[in-house]
Amino acid sequence: DTGVSQDPRHKITKRGQNVTFRCDPISEHNRLYWYRQTLGQGPEFLTYFQNEAQLEKSRLLSDRFSAERPKGSFSTLEIQRTEQGDSAMYLCASSLFGDRETQYFGPGTRLLVL
Amino acid sequence: RKEVEQDPGPFNVPEGATVAFNCTYSNSASQSFFWYRQDCRKEPKLLMSVYSSGNEDGRFTAQLNRASQYISLLIRDSKLSDSATYLCVVNTRGYSTLTFGKGTMLLVSP
Repeated sequence: DTGVSQDPRHKITKRGQNVTFRCDPISEHNRLYWYRQTLGQGPEFLTYFQNEAQLEKSRLLSDRFSAERPKGSFSTLEIQRTEQGDSAMYLCASSLFGDRETQYFGPGTRLLVL
Repeated sequence: RKEVEQDPGPFNVPEGATVAFNCTYSNSASQSFFWYRQDCRKEPKLLMSVYSSGNEDGRFTAQLNRASQYISLLIRDSKLSDSATYLCVVNTRGYSTLTFGKGTMLLVSP
């Protein structure tokens, strides 16, 4: 499968714990994006990378959220001190710069904070 | 005005019907427009890009009206498998940042 992959697919955690999600983009794609989606809403942009550079992070929901893409390939999204309001689907997408920025999504990580 | 607005539906139509969705966007400088489809508890998947001249892909036709800042999607000869949420997507803050509408739910019944 050469699509975008995400791990884990599901995560249940207790309030206050830290969680980390991984995204592996389509191999030739140099841009990688993180979104959050809650029930009844469209995906909400959080941050994106071009190669290893994080070009936009002002939309990260709070300072508890951080993302990295250290080698320009896979990326991680970390949420520290999780809150119940963080429960959502976290989606990763990738694109090839110059290809009209068409973004292809992974299956998502569904987070439930108890 | 919200950045991207869609009627949430649901639109209930019988098989074989033609159905149209509209979407409005607020930023006149937006450059890229898309329709994505999302099945329940799945990721969004690109249905089609929307070009200024309008474009068609089989039973699906997308139109863009820049003057009125709206995008439409027409589905002809609806199939049961078309049942899904259709997301209108626009870049509103720069070329690489997409903003999604809440989606329009379509239910096609036998």
